[in-house]
Amino acid sequence: DAGVIQSPRHEVTEMGQEVTLRCKPISGHDYLFWYRQTMMRGLELLIYFNNNVPIDDSGMPEDRFSAKMPNASFSTLKIQPSEPRDSAVYFCASSPLSTGVVWNTEAFFGQGTRLTVV
Amino acid sequence: LAKTTQPISMDSYEGQEVNITCSHNNIATNDYITWYQQFPSQGPRFIIQGYKTKVTNEVASLFIPADRKSSTLSLPRVSLSDTAVYYCLVGDLSGGSYIPTFGRGTSLIVHP
Repeated sequence: DAGVIQSPRHEVTEMGQEVTLRCKPISGHDYLFWYRQTMMRGLELLIYFNNNVPIDDSGMPEDRFSAKMPNASFSTLKIQPSEPRDSAVYFCASSPLSTGVVWNTEAFFGQGTRLTVV
Repeated sequence: LAKTTQPISMDSYEGQEVNITCSHNNIATNDYITWYQQFPSQGPRFIIQGYKTKVTNEVASLFIPADRKSSTLSLPRVSLSDTAVYYCLVGDLSGGSYIPTFGRGTSLIVHP
């Protein structure tokens, strides 16, 4: 497997524009996470999905942010309208379900999307 | 209340053993301890996980005392390429899911 794939790697956009970040998780993984990383706030969990269903979006900063997972192999994080304070590196990660036999705490991260809003 | 506390930064030299200690005084019975590594411009990467005592893999060792209120990540004979941020996480696996929640981590700089 190629790992978690994110696109684009870099995005520069103007304030007010819509931005869509994309993620392809590892095949067979049940969980998908979206994180945001900044120097000020570190690595923050925004939202996560289990079997394509959003479970906890309490980390989403405001209504301008939305995330979808239409199928097991694709997820998007959308910001509309974007603002300069949204500039950050956005990571997507996936992990398999733990079972009573295998307790797993390993999440696999993509390379991230560096977003700059000017 | 922070679940984990670890030093902000550490310095070491090539060839030395590095031990990074993490405090998790409020760890729950069902919590597992996990460590991740992050290089600049990359996503975090899983290093090791444990519940109690000692765990060793090809990259590191994890020491967990009996009370589990702390853990120590041990990196043997570090090299320049071990310069990275190291995160200590605790989380509950009892429901079958593990939600990685990161603190600020420890920035390790390895000098020649």
